[in-house]
Amino acid sequence: EAGVAQSPRYKIIEKRQSVAFWCNPISGHATLYWYQQILGQGPKLLIQFQNNGVVDDSQLPKDRFSAERLKGVDSTLKIQPAKLEDSAVYLCASSSARDGNNEQFFGPGTRLTVL
Amino acid sequence: QKEVEQNSGPLSVPEGAIASLNCTYSDRVSQSFFWYRQYSGKSPELIMSIYSNGDKEDGRFTAQLNKASQYVSLLIRDSQPSDSATYLCAVNTGNQFYFGTGTSLTVIP
Repeated sequence: EAGVAQSPRYKIIEKRQSVAFWCNPISGHATLYWYQQILGQGPKLLIQFQNNGVVDDSQLPKDRFSAERLKGVDSTLKIQPAKLEDSAVYLCASSSARDGNNEQFFGPGTRLTVL
Repeated sequence: QKEVEQNSGPLSVPEGAIASLNCTYSDRVSQSFFWYRQYSGKSPELIMSIYSNGDKEDGRFTAQLNKASQYVSLLIRDSQPSDSATYLCAVNTGNQFYFGTGTSLTVIP
């Protein structure tokens, strides 16, 4: 079974530029999560999708961050405009809603550096 | 008060010893609890999940949950140098998932 795929793996941009990250979850996983992990901290949940609907986005900075999951499979996370403090690893995870246990499996992450 | 708290360590144990990692959480209605291992520069990898009070064993790993004390722990028996990593505790409360900052474990050969 293929794992969660993410791209790009690394991205360097200047502040005020925009950037987008892509995630493809494990096949059949209805729930998709985007996390931000700043160096030395645990992952922070930004947004959770169930199929193509948003379950929770309470910690998403909506003035600059947006995310979508069209057709309930792939998802994109966008930052526009980026700030220095957005430098972090952006992790995508997915879980199967069928078993109800919410075990999440993470992709390799995208390391963003904002200069 | 943070939702999930872990001792950041570093925790050092000799090879073959038992490593004990602890985690406390603030929300009494939390339902699901997870331990992840994260190697430097890598993404978190699920080790164990636990949902009810008591112990759950999987190979060299044992997770312990005490909801009354709002405490969850991970024991690693016969620790190996390959267990050296940061261990993240995660808690599911409703639709929210909270991670601790992680405990850094070093197993000394």
